[in-house]
Amino acid sequence: NAGVTQTPKFQVLKTGQSMTLQCAQDMNHEYMSWYRQDPGMGLRLIHYSVGAGITDQGEVPNGYNVSRSTTEDFPLRLLSAAPSQTSVYFCASSIQGGTYEQYFGPGTRLTVT
Amino acid sequence: AQSVTQLGSHVSVSEGALVLLRCNYSSSVPPYLFWYVQYPNQGLQLLLKYTSAATLVKGINGFEAEFKKSETSFHLTKPSAHMSDAAEYFCAVTGKGGGGNKLTFGTGTQLKVEL
Repeated sequence: NAGVTQTPKFQVLKTGQSMTLQCAQDMNHEYMSWYRQDPGMGLRLIHYSVGAGITDQGEVPNGYNVSRSTTEDFPLRLLSAAPSQTSVYFCASSIQGGTYEQYFGPGTRLTVT
Repeated sequence: AQSVTQLGSHVSVSEGALVLLRCNYSSSVPPYLFWYVQYPNQGLQLLLKYTSAATLVKGINGFEAEFKKSETSFHLTKPSAHMSDAAEYFCAVTGKGGGGNKLTFGTGTQLKVEL
């Protein structure tokens, strides 16, 4: 199993550009989520999904969109990039319920200039 | 509502010394608690978890943590630090029940191990 994969690993955007961060998992997990990691702030939840077709907002959703058309994929879209979105983004997945253990991808480092 | 406080953003220990990383939590429902480790330029790896079974939890790489409800704490310890333990450590909490998969993270503790 590849686990949770994320692409790209690095990305540089100009202010106002849009892009999609890809996340996929091959563990048949119902729950998937996106976090952003900023120095001194830990990880903060952006959006999450409890299954295909169902998404909801987390703690810091502004400027981001998500969709979940399949169990495997959960892309994160930046609509109009801003320097405040410079961060490291992590995707995670888990089974719904159980012990709530989440499996993390390797991250995408995004810089917005 | 739930929250996590990690005391000390940076901790430095000598190789072979005791490692103690502090975590206090707040949760309105019985908590599930986690410690994750992040090595430089990598994702997060689960060290150990508390899921309402034994209060002393053993994890990977010789780490363990004790759940103390009276102190709302879940401190991470390792008897003897190794150079390879240098990393950032995150404590996280979630609550059993609705939305239980939504982890709330602490701000992290950077562990430095010196010779």
